Amino acid sequence: SQKIEQNSEALNIQEGKTATLTCNYTNYSPAYLQWYRQDPGRGPVFLLLIRENEKEKRKERLKVTFDTTLKQSLFHITASQPADSATYLCALAPSIGTASKLTFGTGTRLQVTL
Amino acid sequence: EAQVTQNPRYLITVTGKKLTVTCSQNMNHEYMSWYRQDPGLGLRQIYYSMNVEVTDKGDVPEGYKVSRKEKRNFPLILESPSPNQTSLYFCASTMQGRADTQYFGPGTRLTVL
Repeated sequence: SQKIEQNSEALNIQEGKTATLTCNYTNYSPAYLQWYRQDPGRGPVFLLLIRENEKEKRKERLKVTFDTTLKQSLFHITASQPADSATYLCALAPSIGTASKLTFGTGTRLQVTL
Repeated sequence: EAQVTQNPRYLITVTGKKLTVTCSQNMNHEYMSWYRQDPGLGLRQIYYSMNVEVTDKGDVPEGYKVSRKEKRNFPLILESPSPNQTSLYFCASTMQGRADTQYFGPGTRLTVL
């Protein structure tokens, strides 16, 4: 069956460092992968999307890579700040135009300390 | 402001008492979905709708019903709630054909005693 795993439940890093979160998947051939941010008690907020034919995507301090051979996506936050503390979810979709069929990972809780 | 709204935000009820959680979006999106989020299990899709009068089961549909009579509204109905439906529920919407920008509502925390 399809499985999405995000590394460790929690990740603690110091302010200014680069946070790297991992999303691994098995038994799945996604057309694209998304990353969301979720704050406690709130709905997820879309951050970035990367398609299967793209290797890397950037948005301000965020960078996402997608390796379909390794079946892995890495999500980087550079120059991390305490305000980046949140849970980050990855989500996969089987094809373009099927946003209604997203499968989510369980998330990684990031804590950025001073 | 583009948004998805859900009501109520918090609800405590008893086993067997029918309830409805409403969801509304103001972005004219075709796709709408319901998810539940439980610790260690992540977000799991309950039902989704690709347009008015078009709905389909997600991964965990048992015990739930939905309807899509208007494009903007997608209510979630629990005919006979049970304690295992205690969870955090999210409604989401997105534009047909767009792979990105799925908008989530603020969530409804449901407790079934």
